[in-house]
Amino acid sequence: QQQVKQSPQSLIVQKGGISIINCAYENTAFDYFPWYQQFPGKGPALLIAIRPDVSEKKEGRFTISFNKSAKQFSLHIMDSQPGDSATYFCAAPNSGNTPLVFGKGTRLSVIA
Amino acid sequence: KAGVTQTPRYLIKTRGQQVTLSCSPISGHRSVSWYQQTPGQGLQFLFEYFSETQRNKGNFPGRFSGRQFSNSRSEMNVSTLELGDSALYLCASSFLGADTQYFGPGTRLTVL
Repeated sequence: QQQVKQSPQSLIVQKGGISIINCAYENTAFDYFPWYQQFPGKGPALLIAIRPDVSEKKEGRFTISFNKSAKQFSLHIMDSQPGDSATYFCAAPNSGNTPLVFGKGTRLSVIA
Repeated sequence: KAGVTQTPRYLIKTRGQQVTLSCSPISGHRSVSWYQQTPGQGLQFLFEYFSETQRNKGNFPGRFSGRQFSNSRSEMNVSTLELGDSALYLCASSFLGADTQYFGPGTRLTVL
C-alpha cells in the first residue's frame, strides 16, 4: 500500500512566522494531493489541494509546493496565526483499495 | 447544505461489548468511508461503501464491519471490543470517484 510520510510530527511557530510541513509519497501515478486541517473535537476538513500539472498553488496564506521529481509536496502557512493551531494531514489517493492514504499528521502550535 | 453527521459523539464501553456507530452523509453523496484515528497510527482506512455495497476494505480484523442503507446512511459495528479499539471513528462522504472527502466530527469511543 502507498505510504505517505509526513514531517515534522509537531511544530511550534511564532505568530507571524512561516509554518512548513512536508510530505513524501511513493506512487508516481497519483494526480491529487490534498491537505486537511483538523481542530480539536472536529473532523478533518479539506484545506487546499494540488494536482501535479502545476508546481505551486496558493490560497490566501496557504501555499502548496509540489516537486514531482522528488515526489514531495509541502504546505506553507505564511504569517501564521494562533487560529492556525491545529493538526494538519497530507494525503494522496491510493491506486489500491483506499480512497485516500493519509500522513500521520503534524500538530502545529502558533504562539503569540 | 448540512454536513456529515455522526452519532453518537461519545461512547464508553467495556471490553467484550459491541458497539454500533452511525453516519449520515451529505445529501447527494452516495460514497461513505470510515476511518479510525488514533494518536499513534493517525488516520487508518476501515472500509468504503457505495450503493449499499462494500467497495474497499482496510486491514482491520473481522470484528469491524459496516453496512450502508438505501438512503446512503451507513453504520459500522465493532464486536468483542478490545482496549485498543479506543479511538476517534470518522466517517467521510463524497460523490463516487471524487477526490475530495468530507468528514464528520467523529465518534469518540472509549473502551474500559
